[in-house]
Amino acid sequence: AQRVTQPEKLLSVFKGAPVELKCNYSYSGSPELFWYVQYSRQRLQLLLRHISRESIKGFTADLNKGETSFHLKKPFAQEEDSAMYYCALGSGGSYIPTFGRGTSLIVHP
Amino acid sequence: EAGVAQSPRYKIIEKRQSVAFWCNPISGHATLYWYQQILGQGPKLLIQFQNNGVVDDSQLPKDRFSAERLKGVDSTLKIQPAKLEDSAVYLCASSQGPHTYEQYFGPGTRLTVT
Repeated sequence: AQRVTQPEKLLSVFKGAPVELKCNYSYSGSPELFWYVQYSRQRLQLLLRHISRESIKGFTADLNKGETSFHLKKPFAQEEDSAMYYCALGSGGSYIPTFGRGTSLIVHP
Repeated sequence: EAGVAQSPRYKIIEKRQSVAFWCNPISGHATLYWYQQILGQGPKLLIQFQNNGVVDDSQLPKDRFSAERLKGVDSTLKIQPAKLEDSAVYLCASSQGPHTYEQYFGPGTRLTVT
């Protein structure tokens, strides 16, 4: 069975500090990993996916198959990064993501 | 382009009552999804439509939940009768086709069952 674990419910940092939102997954096949974000009073949206290997809004995430992790990182957090972040796993061609429980990121001024 | 629309935004009902949610996807999107998001959890797929046909309803509690997309555009999700554990946000999403993770989510309907 596939599973996504986000160990932190809440992550609180100050503006300018580095951020790392942790995500671990369990899946026996070849995974696709994603990060979704939901800003306050806005809709859930796709932030980035591992196969794109791109930086979105300063965020990057690297798939580590050895550690089965896909942590989301940003070197300098901004107040506008405050949001709920969900890690998600796609598998087997179903194109239906399995979501983690989410981590609330709060960036203090 | 207009996003996915959902109504109502909030609904409070008593257990054993019935409730229906409506979703209008982005124009031209053939695939429509209903997700249930219980507080403190990530969204979980309930049902996926491709045009007016069901692709996946394996996680839909069919004894009380039903959904339809009769004309391949709008969709309705119904719960009858509701239980306390149905309290959640119900998210509708749409995509151009079934073979993509590029899903566009609606604002959700927050259901409280008392």
